Amino acid sequence: EDKVVQSPLSLVVHEGDTVTLNCSYEVTNFRSLLWYKQEKKAPTFLFMLTSSGIEKKSGRLSSILDKKELFSILNITATQTGDSAVYLCAVSPSGGGADGLTFGKGTHLIIQP
Amino acid sequence: KAGVTQTPRYLIKTRGQQVTLSCSPISGHRSVSWYQQTPGQGLQFLFEYFSETQRNKGNFPGRFSGRQFSNSRSEMNVSTLELGDSALYLCASSQNGPAPDTQYFGPGTRLTVL
Repeated sequence: EDKVVQSPLSLVVHEGDTVTLNCSYEVTNFRSLLWYKQEKKAPTFLFMLTSSGIEKKSGRLSSILDKKELFSILNITATQTGDSAVYLCAVSPSGGGADGLTFGKGTHLIIQP
Repeated sequence: KAGVTQTPRYLIKTRGQQVTLSCSPISGHRSVSWYQQTPGQGLQFLFEYFSETQRNKGNFPGRFSGRQFSNSRSEMNVSTLELGDSALYLCASSQNGPAPDTQYFGPGTRLTVL
C-alpha cells in the first residue's frame, strides 16, 4: 500500500523565519510528487516534482525531490502570515492515466506576526 | 479559464438518505477524480473517471459510486448515508496528457450527516 508521511505535523514560527517541511514516501511505480497548500477550502497546487535533485522555485517557496532516499522537502523563506496553511504532500503512481493521489496528513504551519 | 466547480457547496442530510454531488472540470480536462477529506483520515482517493469510464477506485464501500458524462462533468453518489460520511468531498480535474499530470481541485462540497 502506498504511504506518504509528512513531518512535522504542526509548526509555529515567527514572521521572517525560514521553514523546511518534510515528506517521505513509499509507493509502487512512482511517477511524481506534488505539493499543495490548503487554507480553508480546496488545496491549491504548488509544485510537481518528477526528477531527483532539480529544485523547483516559486518566489519564496522551493522544493526538491530525492528519489533514492524517497523524500522531498518544501522550503519557505522569509515567511509571512499569509503562508499560514496546511501543506500537503502527495504522490502519484504511474499507470495508464491520472491515478489517484495518495496524500500525507499534512503539516499545519502557523506564522505568528 | 474557469476553475473546477462543485455543487452544492454545503449539504445537510440524515442517516439513511442518499446524496448526489456534482463536479464540472476545467474546460479541456478529461479526467475527474473524487476525494474525501476528514480530520481523522485526511484526504483519501475515492475514484477517477476518464472519458465516461471509471479507471481507478480507492478503498471505499460500494455505497460510493460515480459517473461521468460526455462533457466530462461528473457526479458522485452516496447511498444509505452514515454519520461517518460527513466530510469535505473534493473533486479534481486534469488534462491527462502523455506527460505527468497535475490535478486542480474544486472548492469542495461540505456534507454533514445527522
